[in-house]
Amino acid sequence: DAGVIQSPRHEVTEMGQEVTLRCKPISGHDYLFWYRQTMMRGLELLIYFNNNVPIDDSGMPEDRFSAKMPNASFSTLKIQPSEPRDSAVYFCASTPSGLGTDTQYFGPGTRLTVL
Amino acid sequence: AQKVTQAQTEISVVEKEDVTLDCVYETRDTTYYLFWYKQPPSGELVFLIRRNSFDEQNEISGRYSWNFQKSTSSFNFTITASQVVDSAVYFCALSEPNFGNEKLTFGTGTRLTIIP
Repeated sequence: DAGVIQSPRHEVTEMGQEVTLRCKPISGHDYLFWYRQTMMRGLELLIYFNNNVPIDDSGMPEDRFSAKMPNASFSTLKIQPSEPRDSAVYFCASTPSGLGTDTQYFGPGTRLTVL
Repeated sequence: AQKVTQAQTEISVVEKEDVTLDCVYETRDTTYYLFWYKQPPSGELVFLIRRNSFDEQNEISGRYSWNFQKSTSSFNFTITASQVVDSAVYFCALSEPNFGNEKLTFGTGTRLTIIP
């Protein structure tokens, strides 16, 4: 089975540009998570969805960040406008059901560099 | 609040030595889940183990073993006869799904370097 798919794998952009990160969860998984990894803050949860509905977006740093899940097989994380401090690796993860019964499976990540 | 502490920032050992990575957690619930993930230099996050709070049995998987002790709120990870391929950053994580939150809280990670 294919794992979690993320695109692009690397993104370099200039400050002020819009950035869209994409994620395809594992088929049949009900939960989808977006994480950000930086040296300073480690791995932190940004937002997660259950059956395409956002459940907890308390980790979204500010209004410049938005996430959508229009259907069960696709999610986007958008940053507009981007800033250098947004440079990080962004991971998407999915799980079949809650963590009470399973674990989160991570995609390969998108390395974002904002110049 | 949930908290996971991995006090060892970096560890280096010579190949074939045993090494233990420490993880201490804090939780307000009696039902919780603990995880270990490996992040090799290539960057992906690889799931290693999931353990629920009601199962204190130690687990062994090949050269890997885990020691879960509720009395000390610890979930330590031991690699026996380490190999160069074990070089990675290892993360311990905690979840409390009974509170309706599927969030994984990660520790800061331990960078393990195996010296050939």
